[in-house]
Amino acid sequence: QVQLVESGGGLVKPGGSLRLSCAASGFTFSDYYMSWIRQAPGKGLEWVSYISSSGDNIYYADSVKGRFTISRDNAKNSLFLQMNSLRGEDTAVYYCARRTGNLDYWGQGTLVTVSS
Amino acid sequence: DVVMTQSPLSLAVTLGQPASISCRSSQSLVYTDGNTYLNWFHQRPGQSPRRLIYKVSNRDSGVPDRFSGSGSGTDFTLKISRVEAEDVGVYYCMQGTHWPKYTFGQGTKLEIK
Repeated sequence: QVQLVESGGGLVKPGGSLRLSCAASGFTFSDYYMSWIRQAPGKGLEWVSYISSSGDNIYYADSVKGRFTISRDNAKNSLFLQMNSLRGEDTAVYYCARRTGNLDYWGQGTLVTVSS
Repeated sequence: DVVMTQSPLSLAVTLGQPASISCRSSQSLVYTDGNTYLNWFHQRPGQSPRRLIYKVSNRDSGVPDRFSGSGSGTDFTLKISRVEAEDVGVYYCMQGTHWPKYTFGQGTKLEIK
């Protein structure tokens, strides 16, 4: 069965960095676009970024452009999100999900808290 | 960006009664391939979202048939024919037509009356 497991969240100071990982299993990872979506505490869902199956097509939401970098390692069935210059408003649960406009499977999420 | 507007934002329903959630988009969601990429997700408290419906009206595997999606163009509806206790949580619509800026509705919180 399809499984997506995020890790790497935690408490970080404003201006700091964090790298999230998403381990995928149960499907041919290299065949699928992948996305990151976030949810601030008590708020709705915000799509953050996606990456094509080969990694050559990438897009970011305006709110994270220039600060976040999405990448993937198809040999290791892993998706990453490098987050730099973090701000308080980046505090959220970050989910990885399979596909883009037709998100079909989500991980359980990892919490990122940006606070001094 | 395409704005997705859900109504109502909260809903209290008696067990066994129907429920309906509306989702309206600021632009048509019909894609150049003829498909309409409108999804519905359900998020139970403390859990990650789960997709219920894709391309307006297609139920995902394992989703009870009391859930149905309908609509076209800019107006869409999620209906629950008979609400059960496990249906509580927040429901989100999401458009996947206007890439790369995919957008979600604000969410509709369903609780039992």
